[in-house]
Amino acid sequence: EAQVTQNPRYLITVTGKKLTVTCSQNMNHEYMSWYRQDPGLGLRQIYYSMNVEVTDKGDVPEGYKVSRKEKRNFPLILESPSPNQTSLYFCASRAGDRIHEQYFGPGTRLTVT
Amino acid sequence: GDSVTQMEGPVTLSEEAFLTINCTYTATGYPSLFWYVQYPGEGLQLLLKATKADDKGSNKGFEATYRKETTSFHLEKGSVQVSDSAVYFCALSDPQGAQKLVFGQGTRLTINP
Repeated sequence: EAQVTQNPRYLITVTGKKLTVTCSQNMNHEYMSWYRQDPGLGLRQIYYSMNVEVTDKGDVPEGYKVSRKEKRNFPLILESPSPNQTSLYFCASRAGDRIHEQYFGPGTRLTVT
Repeated sequence: GDSVTQMEGPVTLSEEAFLTINCTYTATGYPSLFWYVQYPGEGLQLLLKATKADDKGSNKGFEATYRKETTSFHLEKGSVQVSDSAVYFCALSDPQGAQKLVFGQGTRLTINP
């Protein structure tokens, strides 16, 4: 089954404690991205990756890092989380030329206290 | 920059009512337009899409027509069901940039039996 998986699904942490949210896809997609969803703001892109070792900033990259060492994985790293990063995070992937076929993961709800 | 504006929610309707969720956009060039649906506790799923002016996207009884002259992509359904209760997002992607989806703020729809 084609899918994008994220872990953990729920996380409560404290300010400053480094964390990683993993994202994996089994469709051999070149393109992967991270979004955050906040009430009244819709989804905003954090980072994206066009392929292995190719990443770039989206609209709201501050406070986040990503890496793309393998095609299937695209982890989101918060080196020093802060309360304003409390949000619902989605990973997405698509084939490089298939802009119309974007697959979303189930989401990770992060709370930073 | 590109932007999407959706009608304010939440929207509450009775079963079998007619649904319209308004969506207008601002974009340079000729974007593709999408409606995504998010059911409770799940990620986003593509509901329908339109890639050029006057295209009509349709799926599961929902329809939306790409209106370039009014820069709109309103979502409609003739007779809603309780199972349609979800959050609906209008989005666009710029075929030139093609690196991200730009989302509206989302409209929460609740259908009462």
